[in-house]
Amino acid sequence: EAGVAQSPRYKIIEKRQSVAFWCNPISGHATLYWYQQILGQGPKLLIQFQNNGVVDDSQLPKDRFSAERLKGVDSTLKIQPAKLEDSAVYLCASSLGMKGEQFFGPGTRLTVL
Amino acid sequence: QKEVEQNSGPLSVPEGAIASLNCTYSDRGSQSFFWYRQYSGKSPELIMFIYSNGDKEDGRFTAQLNKASQYVSLLIRDSQPSDSATYLCAVNILYNFNKFYFGSGTKLNVKP
Repeated sequence: EAGVAQSPRYKIIEKRQSVAFWCNPISGHATLYWYQQILGQGPKLLIQFQNNGVVDDSQLPKDRFSAERLKGVDSTLKIQPAKLEDSAVYLCASSLGMKGEQFFGPGTRLTVL
Repeated sequence: QKEVEQNSGPLSVPEGAIASLNCTYSDRGSQSFFWYRQYSGKSPELIMFIYSNGDKEDGRFTAQLNKASQYVSLLIRDSQPSDSATYLCAVNILYNFNKFYFGSGTKLNVKP
C-alpha cells in the first residue's frame, strides 16, 4: 500500500513570496490533515478535511494560508505572502476516519529567507 | 496551559534498560491517545494507540493510560540504540471536531 505522498520535499523562498505544497493521501483515507512543525516542537494542526469539507481550520492563519481538497483526494496548502516565521516542516497526514490512526507523509521543509 | 505536556529530555538510558516516557493532558474529554516516534529529519510514525484505562502491550512497547490522573506513558523494554528518537504523545478530543493535539516530544538517547 502506497503511503502519503508530498511534494516538494524542500523549498527555499524569500519573504513575501508565495509557495504551494501538494499532498496525496493513502487511497481510501477520507480524513486529511496539514500540520506545521517548527524545529524542536510537536506538530501543530493547521487544517483538517473530511472528504472535501473542512472540519477544523481554527489554527490556520487565514490572512496568509489557504488550503483546499478538491474532489476529496489530493490537497494543496498555500502560503501567500510568506514570513520568516513560516520556516518549518509542513506535514500532511491521512486517516480512514476522524477517529483513526494518522499516517504521515515525508513532509516539506520550507525555509523563508 | 498546553493541551499535552511532555518532558523534552533528553532521557538517556543504557542499552537493554527500560525507557519510561510520560505525557499529561489537560482536557478530560480526550478519548484516544497515541504515541509516535520521530527520527531526526523524518516524519512521525505511529507506535501505539490506547483508548481504555490500563496497559496495552505490543512487543517491546507498553502504553499505560490513567484517565483519572490524565496521564499516559510509554514503556520501552530492552531499549536498543535504534530506539533513539523523539517520542511524541498525541491526544484526540472527539467532542472538539475530533481535534488532535501533539506534545512537543521527549528525546530518548539509548547508549550502547
